[in-house]
Order: sequence, then structure tokens, then C-alpha cells
Amino acid sequence: GENVEQHPSTLSVQEGDSAVIKCTYSDSASNYFPWYKQELGKRPQLIIDIRSNVGEKKDQRIAVTLNKTAKHFSLHITETQPEDSAVYFCAASTSGTYKYIFGTGTRLKVLA
Amino acid sequence: GAVVSQHPSRVICKSGTSVKIECRSLDFQATTMFWYRQFPKKSLMLMATSNEGSKATYEQGVEKDKFLINHASLTLSTLTVTSAHPEDSSFYICSGRGLGPETQYFGPGTRLLVL
Repeated sequence: GENVEQHPSTLSVQEGDSAVIKCTYSDSASNYFPWYKQELGKRPQLIIDIRSNVGEKKDQRIAVTLNKTAKHFSLHITETQPEDSAVYFCAASTSGTYKYIFGTGTRLKVLA
Repeated sequence: GAVVSQHPSRVICKSGTSVKIECRSLDFQATTMFWYRQFPKKSLMLMATSNEGSKATYEQGVEKDKFLINHASLTLSTLTVTSAHPEDSSFYICSGRGLGPETQYFGPGTRLLVL
């Protein structure tokens, strides 16, 4: 079955700097890759997603890149702000089952 | 749009009792709902996939007789933790898929504490 690895587990950056979180997946049939932000005790919120027919997607300060050959995808947050502090999860999904297999999460701390 | 609610938000129960958690899609029809379990500072672990009107599909290692899932309508799925024990204490989160082909929208979660 699918396995998703996520690095780093924790990340501290200064406000205004960029943050990069990386994920790798094992199942070449996976074709949808969402990223979720979860604040303590709250529900995961979708922040960006990418499908396998696209290499990069951007939404204001957030971007995601996908390398299908290498089976890895990354989240990029530019000009970080304290409110970006949260746990970020990547996931991989395969059409047909629509199940998400989540990565282990990255705790991002943006220092003011 | 795409709001999912869960009830209750937290529940404390005695060991041996059963607890029912409701998951509702408020503004869309969720053809598929998913149930996850999340331990403190850990990732979300998929427990089961539930399609309206069908039996749930459980992930490996999840006891279907322990975690009963019912998806009676396109807006409601329930998870019943039967004969709960302290090791069942966890954060249970549901999600619904319906608007887009792949996107899941998550409920706020239910924190279960079994004494």
C-alpha cells in the first residue's frame, strides 16, 4: 500500500523567511496530493493541492511542486508570518479509492 | 461551503460503555465519508471508508466490530465505539468527499476519553 514520508518533523524559521516541507510517496498510482494545516485541537484545513498532471501550483505565499518521476512533492511558504505556525500534513490519494494516506506531519514555528 | 460538523466535540465515558459520534456534511452531499483517529502530536490514521448505503471498508488492523460505522444518508455518518476501553481514548475526526472528486473536508473532531 501507499506510504508517505514527510520531513522535517519540526521546523523553526524567522518571520519573513521561507519554509519548505518535503514529502515522498511510494505508490506511482497516486495522483492527488493535498496539503493540510492543523492548529492545536482543530480540524485540518486544506491549504493547497496538486494533481499529477501538474508540476507546480501557487496560491499567493504558498506553492506546491510535484516531481512524479522521483515521487516527491514539496510545500513552499514564502514571507512566513507568526500565524503560519501550525502542524502541516501532506497526503497522497489515488483516484478510485479517494483514500488519503497522510505524512507524519511537520510542526512549523515562525518566530517573530 | 463544504462544512462538516461533528457531535459531540468531547465525551468522557466509563470503560465498557459505548459511544456514538455523528458526522454531518452541512452544505453538500458527501458520497463518501472517512473516519480517522489521531493520537497527540501524531498524524491522522485512516480507520475506515464509508459510502452511503454500503458497508464500511475498514483499514487493516481496525476492528470492525469495535468501531461500528453507519452511513445512512448522504449527509450523516456515525461511528460507534463499542465497549470502550482507555486505549480507545483519542481524537476522532471524520471527513466528507463530495464537491470535488478528491478533496476531503474535515469535521472539527471528537475528543474521547475513556476512564
